[in-house]
Amino acid sequence: DVKVTQSSRYLVKRTGEKVFLECVQDMDHENMFWYRQDPGLGLRLIYFSYDVKMKEKGDIPEGYSVSREKKERFSLILESASTNQTSMYLCASILPSGTAYGYTFGSGTRLTVV
Amino acid sequence: GQQLNQSPQSMFIQEGEDVSMNCTSSSIFNTWLWYKQDPGEGPVLLIALYKAGELTSNGRLTAQFGITRKDSFLNISASIPSDVGIYFCAGPGKLNRDDKIIFGKGTRLHILP
Repeated sequence: DVKVTQSSRYLVKRTGEKVFLECVQDMDHENMFWYRQDPGLGLRLIYFSYDVKMKEKGDIPEGYSVSREKKERFSLILESASTNQTSMYLCASILPSGTAYGYTFGSGTRLTVV
Repeated sequence: GQQLNQSPQSMFIQEGEDVSMNCTSSSIFNTWLWYKQDPGEGPVLLIALYKAGELTSNGRLTAQFGITRKDSFLNISASIPSDVGIYFCAGPGKLNRDDKIIFGKGTRLHILP
């Protein structure tokens, strides 16, 4: 089975800290995505990447950056965490061709910024 | 841009009841997806639909791809406690690119004791 692993389930950080959220997929697949999920707002796309060293802004990139140095790893970076970035963060990778179309998601990282 | 409107936003039902939810799009889709998110977990793909009019089942779940290609429906029969969670519809993003998906805001299902 395809697996997407997010390194932390829960994180508590202080305002102004630099925060790294890590995501690793065990397929040799190009497309990876970072979403945040907030009550009433659904899933909102922050950044995505189609290949190593390649990144594109999603719908809400402000306050975030990403890094894709290796195909299997896609990192989300909060340069200076703020309380309005308290949220559930979900990483996803698109399913390999030949399987059902869609994403597979990690289990999520619930980030609290205090 | 493209939008998915999912309803209802939340549902409170008794165990054993059937559940219906739906999703409409502002534009035509060539694929519809339904995901379920258990509390504290990431969403998991339940059903994928690829053809207008298609009806697909996965256990007690049945989803349909509307013939207008602008809507989709998910039904759950004889609900059980583990059905609790958030159900998302989804479809291809801009220009029907297969590698970018947009999501509805979800239907949160609660089962009353």
